[in-house]
Amino acid sequence: GNSVTQMEGPVTLSEEAFLTINCTYTATGYPSLFWYVQYPGEGLQLLLKATKADDKGSNKGFEATYRKETTSFHLEKGSVQVSDSAVYFCALISGGSYIPTFGRGTSLIVHP
Amino acid sequence: EAGVTQSPTHLIKTRGQQATLRCSPISGHTSVYWYQQALGLGLQFLLWYDEGEERNRGNFPPRFSGRQFPNYSSELNVNALELEDSALYLCASSFGPSGRTDTQYFGPGTRLTVL
Repeated sequence: GNSVTQMEGPVTLSEEAFLTINCTYTATGYPSLFWYVQYPGEGLQLLLKATKADDKGSNKGFEATYRKETTSFHLEKGSVQVSDSAVYFCALISGGSYIPTFGRGTSLIVHP
Repeated sequence: EAGVTQSPTHLIKTRGQQATLRCSPISGHTSVYWYQQALGLGLQFLLWYDEGEERNRGNFPPRFSGRQFPNYSSELNVNALELEDSALYLCASSFGPSGRTDTQYFGPGTRLTVL
């Protein structure tokens, strides 16, 4: 079956620090990969996605590269802001399933 | 363009009661998904409706049920509420079963508290 593993949180950083949130997956077939973000008190929003190997998704300074050889889709940002404090979810859709599989989420806390 | 809307924002019920949650998808979207987000458990898939039909169901008991109306809005019903049903219930919509590149758009959720 499909599964997504994210690093445990919370991740606590100072403003302008470099961010990496690890995500690895197992999937049947050839998955599409997604990062969603959930700000406090809100639903999930799509942050970025990649649909084939070596694709790089990017949005709002965040990036993630689809690495088929390591089955990974790590989220990075060069300089985080306090407003980036949120929970980040890695997800995949694979094969004939139209139901995404989500990781457990990683909480990011950015201090001024 | 309006996003996915959910009502009510908060719902407080007592054990054994029934809860009804509502979701309106983005205009043009035919698929609606329901998820339960309990504390510390991430998102658990509940139900998927498309074109008025239930297409898939997660690993939840039958007291979790729902339907999709002709205008593609959807209702989630939870019968015989238990304390562990307390969670944030998220609704998402998409253009339909368009495959592996499909993006889901989420509503803000309904916070259900069972006392």
